[in-house]
Amino acid sequence: EVQLVESGGGLVQPGGSLRLSCAVSGFTFSSFNMNWVRRAPGKGLEWISYIGTYSGTTYYADSVQGRFTISRDNAKNSLYLQMNSLRDEDTGVYYCARDQGYCRRSTCYPYHFDLWGQGTLVTVSS
Amino acid sequence: DIVMTQSPDSLAVSLGERASINCKSSQSVLYSPNSKDYLAWYQQKPGQSPKLLFYWASTRESGVPDRFSGSGSGTDFTLTINSLQAEDVAVYYCQQYYTQHPTFGGGTRVEI
Repeated sequence: EVQLVESGGGLVQPGGSLRLSCAVSGFTFSSFNMNWVRRAPGKGLEWISYIGTYSGTTYYADSVQGRFTISRDNAKNSLYLQMNSLRDEDTGVYYCARDQGYCRRSTCYPYHFDLWGQGTLVTVSS
Repeated sequence: DIVMTQSPDSLAVSLGERASINCKSSQSVLYSPNSKDYLAWYQQKPGQSPKLLFYWASTRESGVPDRFSGSGSGTDFTLTINSLQAEDVAVYYCQQYYTQHPTFGGGTRVEI
């Protein structure tokens, strides 16, 4: 069965850090580019980060650039999001999502997201 | 970044009636060399994760009922739900992937 399972969410104080994980099964993880997308309370979906198949290419939304770091371990079929300097506005449900795009040399092209995890809740509050 | 604007924010439709959701991009997402619109639609039901409905603006994802249709090109797109069913209650999002920073519309809530 194809599955993406996020973990690592929780309550953290402003300025704190958190590391999210996404465990993948049921498909060849190393063949797909991946994304993190979040949904803040009462708001819509926001794409926040992308990583190419072999980690050489990463993209970030301006809202998290310099604070968040996306990574992957293809041997462990896992995707990660290291979140530092967290702010109140980072509160939300975080989803990992499989991408149908491709990479050519060092440039990658995100496409649509065909598989999503169930999400993990991050709450930033004092 | 490309700004995606959806309208309306919400709409109430009777069972069996048609629902139409509009999505407008701040610049064209049509890539001329391959004539493809880099636009997707997603459905997010209450308490669930988003689900892909359409990509390339009008290509239906496997398993999506044919009462759903996607149309449009360039900067203007529409998601249509014919003969609305109770299970279609959800928030619907458009997304552009024309750039390396994908962006979503604000979402449209569909209610009965």
